[in-house]
Amino acid sequence: GQQVMQIPQYQHVQEGEDFTTYCNSSTTLSNIQWYKQRPGGHPVFLIQLVKSGEVKKQKRLTFQFGEAKKNSSLHITATQTTDVGTYFCAGRGTGTASKLTFGTGTRLQVTL
Amino acid sequence: NAGVTQTPKFQVLKTGQSMTLQCAQDMNHNSMYWYRQDPGMGLRLIYYSASEGTTDKGEVPNGYNVSRLNKREFSLRLESAAPSQTSVYFCASSEAFANYGYTFGSGTRLTVV
Repeated sequence: GQQVMQIPQYQHVQEGEDFTTYCNSSTTLSNIQWYKQRPGGHPVFLIQLVKSGEVKKQKRLTFQFGEAKKNSSLHITATQTTDVGTYFCAGRGTGTASKLTFGTGTRLQVTL
Repeated sequence: NAGVTQTPKFQVLKTGQSMTLQCAQDMNHNSMYWYRQDPGMGLRLIYYSASEGTTDKGEVPNGYNVSRLNKREFSLRLESAAPSQTSVYFCASSEAFANYGYTFGSGTRLTVV
């Protein structure tokens, strides 16, 4: 079955530093989504990428979808303490009945 | 703007007891899902309903059953709870199956002793 791996599992940065998490799929994806989950909270949808090579920005967050549609990244510029949480990618396979498979997440800790 | 509402928020069960987790969405979404989240395991799909009137198994369906009662409501039932079912359960919905963003409920923290 489809597998979605995320690295790193955990990252600790100082406020103001940049952060990147990477997502890799064993199969080609039709779309990839990113979610943020604050400690003790529920996942919140951030964005969906569909096109090969697509890049989207949301303020300090930059999302990329690889050319082969098998990998993706989320980059946060100049982290803030409000960025603390776990970031999940979720990829959908190319079949019409394909489900969304979540990665195991990257937990980000930001300290002053 | 309620979104996805899950009840209860917390529950403690004894091994062998049964219970139903309730989920309702008010966004007119077609698809609904049940996930469980365990430390280090990410989100694993238990069951889903791609559209009203249909339900299908996800990755980890054993020990669970679901009912899509109507377009708004999707319930998850544990017939005979086991300690391995201790987890956080999330209900989610989306406009279309496995597409667009999922809206998650606030979760049910279930402990089976």
